[in-house]
Amino acid sequence: DVKVTQSSRYLVKRTGEKVFLECVQDMDHENMFWYRQDPGLGLRLIYFSYDVKMKEKGDIPEGYSVSREKKERFSLILESASTNQTSMYLCASSPPGLNTEAFFGQGTRLTVV
Amino acid sequence: AQKVTQAQTEISVVEKEDVTLDCVYETRDTTYYLFWYKQPPSGELVFLIRRNSFDEQNEISGRYSWNFQKSTSSFNFTITASQVVDSAVYFCALSEALGAQKLVFGQGTRLTINP
Repeated sequence: DVKVTQSSRYLVKRTGEKVFLECVQDMDHENMFWYRQDPGLGLRLIYFSYDVKMKEKGDIPEGYSVSREKKERFSLILESASTNQTSMYLCASSPPGLNTEAFFGQGTRLTVV
Repeated sequence: AQKVTQAQTEISVVEKEDVTLDCVYETRDTTYYLFWYKQPPSGELVFLIRRNSFDEQNEISGRYSWNFQKSTSSFNFTITASQVVDSAVYFCALSEALGAQKLVFGQGTRLTINP
């Protein structure tokens, strides 16, 4: 069974903290993605990676960075957490090529206080 | 720029009713892909269907059916004889044909099926 695993379901962090959200996939997929989900806005792409050590900005990269040192792991980093980064974060992966579906993790609900 | 609009924020129906979720998209690409995902309360998005822009055939899978019309840029999803287990948030999404297949999502429709 294919699996995308996010390290935490719920996180509470303080303003200004450095926050790491971890995502691991066991499908040997090249592509990995971080989305943010907010009510009324759907999912918005923060960053994605199509290979190890490669990364590209999505639609809302401000305040975030990412790291992909190994193929199976894609980390989202909030350098200095702010209250407007309180949200649900979803990681996804997909194989290369056309006509492929993305597989999603269960999400991390982050609250910044 | 690509855009997906799901105008229905919430829908509530009684079990066994049919329900249609609307999806309208915008893109300048001639080749693209359309998706529907289901997000149950557990949070994980579950893939339902993928359509490419050259395949306008409607599709039926059990109680689910999809109506793709390029002329109106719509990709609507119908659940026939709805069940309580269909309660979830449903997302329509669009991806480019080239590159890493980044998904552009609609706002989502929260569907509640009441017993």
